[in-house]
Amino acid sequence: GENVEQHPSTLSVQEGDSAVIKCTYSDSASNYFPWYKQELGKRPQLIIDIRSNVGEKKDQRIAVTLNKTAKHFSLHITETQPEDSAVYFCAASPHISGGYQKVTFGIGTKLQVIP
Amino acid sequence: EAGVAQSPRYKIIEKRQSVAFWCNPISGHATLYWYQQILGQGPKLLIQFQNNGVVDDSQLPKDRFSAERLKGVDSTLKIQPAKLEDSAVYLCASSSNPTAGELFFGEGSRLTVL
Repeated sequence: GENVEQHPSTLSVQEGDSAVIKCTYSDSASNYFPWYKQELGKRPQLIIDIRSNVGEKKDQRIAVTLNKTAKHFSLHITETQPEDSAVYFCAASPHISGGYQKVTFGIGTKLQVIP
Repeated sequence: EAGVAQSPRYKIIEKRQSVAFWCNPISGHATLYWYQQILGQGPKLLIQFQNNGVVDDSQLPKDRFSAERLKGVDSTLKIQPAKLEDSAVYLCASSSNPTAGELFFGEGSRLTVL
């Protein structure tokens, strides 16, 4: 099955600096890569996703890049703000039998933005 | 639009006891997932339903865990008997797109096994 590795496990940045979180995946059949943000005690929520037919996607201060050849993808947050402090999970999704997605998550990165 | 509802939010039991969690997905979402999130780890898929059929339960410990979605809407996850290592948050999620799309998570049910 799919295996997703994520690093770093913790990341501290000064407010206004950029943060980068990197993930690798093992299953070359994976074609959908979402990123979820989980604030303390709350549910994970999708912040951005990318499909295998594009190499980069941006949404305001966040961007995701995908390198299918190397099987890695990254989340970039620019101009970080204290409200960006949370745990971020990358995920990869191949199709299983019947065409259904099976979303496998990384271990998570705890981002702390220091004011 | 109402979100994914889960109950109970918190449950404390002793090992070898049983527990059940309930989930009501977003209306119209045919795909329902149960994830186990142990403290400090990412969510791990336990079981995935499409309507009332099981799509994937390869990581469900079937000797103690069971789940059902009888009418293709709400779902119940049961653990019997519970072990200490079952202490975790059990997250239910639903999706309108079974092939690739956003998962909408509930608030989760936090289980502590003593």
